[in-house]
Amino acid sequence: RKEVEQDPGPFNVPEGATVAFNCTYSNSASQSFFWYRQDCRKEPKLLMSVYSSGNEDGRFTAQLNRASQYISLLIRDSKLSDSATYLCVVNEDSSYKLIFGSGTRLLVRP
Amino acid sequence: EPEVTQTPSHQVTQMGQEVILRCVPISNHLYFYWYRQILGQKVEFLVSFYNNEISEKSEIFDDQFSVERPDGSNFTLKIRSTKLEDSAMYFCASRGLGDTQYFGPGTRLTVL
Repeated sequence: RKEVEQDPGPFNVPEGATVAFNCTYSNSASQSFFWYRQDCRKEPKLLMSVYSSGNEDGRFTAQLNRASQYISLLIRDSKLSDSATYLCVVNEDSSYKLIFGSGTRLLVRP
Repeated sequence: EPEVTQTPSHQVTQMGQEVILRCVPISNHLYFYWYRQILGQKVEFLVSFYNNEISEKSEIFDDQFSVERPDGSNFTLKIRSTKLEDSAMYFCASRGLGDTQYFGPGTRLTVL
């Protein structure tokens, strides 16, 4: 079973659309959760950390459901510049090694 | 804003050769990591490093790999005898006291 699982997409949406990505993780002992964004052939960049209480940063909202081992990311009012691959990332243990999902590709069209 | 830097940006080498990939972590960070990403695949953890020793390593990080912090600023990954399957992007990351890791721009390694 994959450790962190995501729908690979691509999600192809018009500008202004709302899009949601989901992710599940297999290790119930996982401690920290993140969404990273990766542009083609670039490094992963932290988009936001994810907390059980949910958190929002401008147009981006992330949610964590520990009971279901499920993480979500909602992007409102999509911009062309949001086109990227969104990586669901989990930290499993005290060494803080990150376990990455395969990513969900988002294409925002004019 | 402080950032992680990596050199070179692209390294081409012949199979069997040794390569050293270099990273300069964010200056007040204490925890350092190497990850790799084979083209079209997910980012994979290689090794974590703290207090001048390896904290954890993955199955990928076999005897061909080593890491070193030779001075107060650099963090290096050495591959002793490269194989074709070592071709990938190699990302260095560093972390301070929080749980967020910051990634460098990566070194693209091509083994011919």
